Amino acid sequence: EVQLVESGGGLIQPGGSLRLSCAASGFSVTNNYMSWVRQAPGKGLEWVSIIYTADTTYYADSVKGRFTISRDNSKNTLYLQMNSLRVEDTAVYYCVRGAIAVADPFDYWGQGTLVTVSS
Amino acid sequence: DIQMTQSPSSLSASVGDRVTITCRASQSIGKYLNWYQQKPGKAPKLLIYAASSLQSGVPSRFSGSGSGSGTDFTLTISSLRPEDFATYYCQQSYSIPYTFGPGTKLEIK
Repeated sequence: EVQLVESGGGLIQPGGSLRLSCAASGFSVTNNYMSWVRQAPGKGLEWVSIIYTADTTYYADSVKGRFTISRDNSKNTLYLQMNSLRVEDTAVYYCVRGAIAVADPFDYWGQGTLVTVSS
Repeated sequence: DIQMTQSPSSLSASVGDRVTITCRASQSIGKYLNWYQQKPGKAPKLLIYAASSLQSGVPSRFSGSGSGSGTDFTLTISSLRPEDFATYYCQQSYSIPYTFGPGTKLEIK
């Protein structure tokens, strides 16, 4: 059974750093592309970052230069290093798996971890 | 960036009703359109991928279609059940950044 379990969220002051982790089971993170999607309180979904099987990465303009996506194949874990955090980064962050299918949908989602950036 | 719009933004309907939600892309995205359902406090769930393919395990009352232009798409629920009341999002996976529509909240009338 595919499972994604995020951790690492919490309350952080503006300008601070946080690293989110996403432990995957039931599949290998090397075989699928992986992404982070966030949702601010009461708002819609926003794609944040992606890492492809060839380790190519992309970021939303809103986080480019501040966030870094990576994975540890030995731990089957995805990460999101978040630096220079801003109040507007406050959101639930979901780890998602990209399906190996037409249109690359996000077929599995973690339960989400809440990041609150506030002084 | 490709902008996604959805209509309506909210919708009231009754159990048993047929409901259609529309999603429009700011440029042609072919069939690179996916639909998700999200219930309060829960993670989104994939319903439809590639505009019209039903994700495994999703009831057949859900269906998706797209126009030949590659910009207009619909999600249809043929006969609403109580568990279908949720927010629905479309998402384009044609080009980075992958963008979502603003969502359609489906409420009980």
